[in-house]
Amino acid sequence: DARVTQTPRHKVTEMGQEVTMRCQPILGHNTVFWYRQTMMQGLELLAYFRNRAPLDDSGMPKDRFSAEMPDATLATLKIQPSEPRDSAVYFCASGLILDGLITGTDTQYFGPGTRLTVL
Amino acid sequence: GIQVEQSPPDLILQEGANSTLRCNFSDSVNNLQWFHQNPWGQLINLFYIPSGTKQNGRLSATTVATERYSLLYISSSQTTDSGVYFCAVDSGGYQKVTFGTGTKLQVIP
Repeated sequence: DARVTQTPRHKVTEMGQEVTMRCQPILGHNTVFWYRQTMMQGLELLAYFRNRAPLDDSGMPKDRFSAEMPDATLATLKIQPSEPRDSAVYFCASGLILDGLITGTDTQYFGPGTRLTVL
Repeated sequence: GIQVEQSPPDLILQEGANSTLRCNFSDSVNNLQWFHQNPWGQLINLFYIPSGTKQNGRLSATTVATERYSLLYISSSQTTDSGVYFCAVDSGGYQKVTFGTGTKLQVIP
């Protein structure tokens, strides 16, 4: 049963600390998404990658956030320095998109999320 | 930016009932998706439907792009359908995705 995994599941840190969240996409998927969910802002798309290359990260605060895919089995989202307003659940999702076309009904498979609390 | 409104905001159904959730958007879009978040927070991508109609089991979705709305139909609802249903639109590829605020559905036995 292939699934997207995320670590850690929960993270509590102090303001100013670096936070790294990791995601292992489903093997064979070529697209990875990072989302953030807060009570105030709802769901937001932060960034996404195709074949490990960043296609768009316009949803991400550039000064403190960075997203990378060092290899096909790992995506990372870093926050440095973290702030209390970064407290949220961060979801990773992966999917298979060929030739820019999305087929089927379910295009993305979500991980369980990382619940981040910045004190 | 594009506005996405979902209605109703809350819905309570008896198990077995049918329902229709609506998503209105303020501008033309390239993509539209429906998501379900269960009460434990797990997100599932239900449909990618920029236009037309798709069906998956008891769920179906219709998007009328020219009139800027999409509908999600749930037939013979089950308690496992409870949760929040989000629609998300994209007016320029996969970037600049805007989510609606969701419809919270509760299906009671």
